[in-house]
Amino acid sequence: RKEVEQDPGPFNVPEGATVAFNCTYSNSASQSFFWYRQDCRKEPKLLMSVYSSGNEDGRFTAQLNRASQYISLLIRDSKLSDSATYLCVVNGEGNQFYFGTGTSLTVIP
Amino acid sequence: DTEVTQTPKHLVMGMTNKKSLKCEQHMGHRAMYWYKQKAKKPPELMFVYSYEKLSINESVPSRFSPECPNSSLLNLHLHALQPEDSALYLCASSPPSPGQEGDTQYFGPGTRLTVL
Repeated sequence: RKEVEQDPGPFNVPEGATVAFNCTYSNSASQSFFWYRQDCRKEPKLLMSVYSSGNEDGRFTAQLNRASQYISLLIRDSKLSDSATYLCVVNGEGNQFYFGTGTSLTVIP
Repeated sequence: DTEVTQTPKHLVMGMTNKKSLKCEQHMGHRAMYWYKQKAKKPPELMFVYSYEKLSINESVPSRFSPECPNSSLLNLHLHALQPEDSALYLCASSPPSPGQEGDTQYFGPGTRLTVL
């Protein structure tokens, strides 16, 4: 079983739409959770950390459900510039981080 | 400052060449990582250094040899690579003990390697 499971998509949505990505993790002892964004041929960049209480940054909202071991990312009012791959990342033991397969998002004009 | 730098940006090498990839960070992070990433796949962990000591080697072939000269630098020495080793090689760093809420890793821009 993979440490982190993520729907690869692709998600193709019109501008202005709301889109949600989910991710599940297998290790109940995991403490830290993150969403990264990766543009084509670029490095992953931290989009937001996911805190126990949930957190919001502008159009982006991240939620954590420890009981069900899943993490979500909600993007409201999608922009063309949101087109990218979104990676769910969970920390493991020590210095290890586990990546989901990534979800591809294309926002269509 | 959350910058991790990597050189070179691009590298083309033959199967008999020896080359090195370099990574540097000045955030005081004591964990540094090498990842390999193929197109349309997530980064795949290769090595982790913690306090300049190799702590994780994900069964990487010996033609890849990591080195951590000090807490700010990480090298990846390449020798006798195969065409299938062509990929984006990413360096990352993280705080000394990630696992606290919000601690994460930061990536360099990567070296795009082509093996002919």
